[in-house]
Amino acid sequence: QVQLVESGGGVVQPGGSLRLSCAASEFTFSSYGMHWFRQAPGKGLEWVAVIYYDGSKKYYTDSVKGRFTISRDNSMNTLYLQMNSLRAEDTAMYYCARDRVRYCGGDCHEIDYWGQGTLVTVSS
Amino acid sequence: QLVLTQSPSASASLGASVKLTCTLSSGHSSYAIAWHQQQPEKGPRYLMRLNSDGSHSKGDGIPDRFSGSSSGAERYLTISSLQSEDEADYYCQTWGTGFVLFGGGTKLTVL
Repeated sequence: QVQLVESGGGVVQPGGSLRLSCAASEFTFSSYGMHWFRQAPGKGLEWVAVIYYDGSKKYYTDSVKGRFTISRDNSMNTLYLQMNSLRAEDTAMYYCARDRVRYCGGDCHEIDYWGQGTLVTVSS
Repeated sequence: QLVLTQSPSASASLGASVKLTCTLSSGHSSYAIAWHQQQPEKGPRYLMRLNSDGSHSKGDGIPDRFSGSSSGAERYLTISSLQSEDEADYYCQTWGTGFVLFGGGTKLTVL
């Protein structure tokens, strides 16, 4: 069964940095695009970023452009999110998730598996 | 602009059926969507993909009680024989090249 396990969350001061990891198993990680999503307390789901299966393309939601960087290590089956210049409004549960379609090169971001999340709190 | 609209809440009785709606914005009625369930204090779970013609394919282990249908810009999720564990938030999701979009979610209460 596909498994996605996030880690790296915690409490950080405004302006600080944090790196999230997502360990993937039970599927061929290098064949799938991967995403980060977040959910602020009591709010809905929000897409954060996507990295294509080979790392060739990366896209971000406007509110994190220039501050967050998505990356992957296909040899380690791990997805990352480097978060810099954190703000209070970045406080959320962060989830990693997988594209359903293998080798997606464009318009195919149907999500079929999610992790359980890691909590990021930005507070002084 | 591509927008997904969901009613904030719905309720139905144990054992009954409920139909949740996700509406695509004008000009986007051909888009496929996916439905996801989020039980309290848990991560989301993929339920199904739903195409504009009403055809759908479900995720691993999703019971037959969950089905999807479409009409124009409306995408529906029907849950029959409601059980207590169906009490959850339900999100519709769509996508394009390099982005993912969600509806605001519907909180389903099982009475």
